[in-house]
Amino acid sequence: NAGVTQTPKFRILKIGQSMTLQCTQDMNHNYMYWYRQDPGMGLKLIYYSVGAGITDKGEVPNGYNVSRSTTEDFPLRLELAAPSQTSVYFCASSYGETGELFFGEGSRLTVL
Amino acid sequence: GNSVTQMEGPVTLSEEAFLTINCTYTATGYPSLFWYVQYPGEGLQLLLKATKADDKGSNKGFEATYRKETTSFHLEKGSVQVSDSAVYFCALSDNTNAGKSTFGDGTTLTVKP
Repeated sequence: NAGVTQTPKFRILKIGQSMTLQCTQDMNHNYMYWYRQDPGMGLKLIYYSVGAGITDKGEVPNGYNVSRSTTEDFPLRLELAAPSQTSVYFCASSYGETGELFFGEGSRLTVL
Repeated sequence: GNSVTQMEGPVTLSEEAFLTINCTYTATGYPSLFWYVQYPGEGLQLLLKATKADDKGSNKGFEATYRKETTSFHLEKGSVQVSDSAVYFCALSDNTNAGKSTFGDGTTLTVKP
């Protein structure tokens, strides 16, 4: 019973590099989300999806892109990494609009 | 827009002390309210929730009541344990907007033996 799985758990990038954070869920949830968590702060929504083929911007989308080709997968792409993108990234899923969020364990990204 | 305000931390208590973490919210419509807990090095996990006014969510000795008149969802526990040390997040889910959740900044609780 894996739930939400994120990879990698840790990554160090140089300024200007690109990478993809992977997220997979096995609960058949239609709703998926990417959040970032900065030290001492709450979670900020980057992008979200209400189903395969449908994505939309959240509160802080600049510098990121997403795709949702299947119900299970929701990768987050960082283009031209900047130090301001140093953060812990959480993927989450939900079965509906009023449902609880199920979180992955997080991906800690450092941009130097 | 929606917002959640939590009492600032960190909070340090002795074992068996009473815990209150205040949470107030601003939202249009009738959101669902949640408390999530984050243990060191882990993702957030649901602690309890309430989906309508006057509902009381409870789990593991923690309780919170959805108060629409005061727009509050304060977290309480009568007797904390060392194992309750974690970061606690209050959150709301906008039931009319793809279930997007808004989080407070989190309150760090440390319980000393």
